[in-house]
Amino acid sequence: EMRLAESGGGFVKSGGSLRLSCVASGFTFSEVWMNWVRQAPGKGLEWVGRMKSWADGGTIDYAAAVKDRFIISRDDSKSILYLQMNNLKTEDTALYYCNQGMYYWGQGVQVTVSS
Amino acid sequence: QSVLTQPPSVSAAPGQTITISCSGSSSNIGTNSVSWYQHLPGRAPKILIYDNHKRPSGIPDRFYGFRSGTSATLGITGLQTGDEADYYCGAWDISLNAVYVFGTATKVTVL
Repeated sequence: EMRLAESGGGFVKSGGSLRLSCVASGFTFSEVWMNWVRQAPGKGLEWVGRMKSWADGGTIDYAAAVKDRFIISRDDSKSILYLQMNNLKTEDTALYYCNQGMYYWGQGVQVTVSS
Repeated sequence: QSVLTQPPSVSAAPGQTITISCSGSSSNIGTNSVSWYQHLPGRAPKILIYDNHKRPSGIPDRFYGFRSGTSATLGITGLQTGDEADYYCGAWDISLNAVYVFGTATKVTVL
């Protein structure tokens, strides 16, 4: 059974950093493109970024709101997707989801940034 | 920032049929396929439709979708109380590199 499990969330002050992890199982992680999506309180879904498989070049794309602050990476040997979040802002407060190809989704992990 | 426009809310009685529209542009829906998601806040979004009209395994045929030009539509027939949720359309947008855009969300209420 395909499963995605996010972790690493928590409380952080504005300007701080956090690293989220997304552990995948039940499918060949190295072959798929992975995404991060978030939902801020009272807001809709917002795409954060995507990393292609290394076979497809490993290209990484980011939403404008997080570009130059967030870094997506992957460790195919461990089937883990990462989201390194730097210089966090209060508006980054959200529930963060990882997903495989905008198809299978994890349950999400909460990130709260205080001023 | 959503670039796909959906109605904020749709409501109907159990058993009825509803449709949700999703309006985009040539750089997203006009070029790339549309997916639809059902989302209960705090839970994992669930894909209902991909490639404009295809249903993943386990999604009942009460849910259907289609695309026409720069717009897409999700239909739900035989509405059930369990269908109460937020619904989003989504598509890749090629206007500025590659970004994925979601719709503005539609809250479905079963009366």
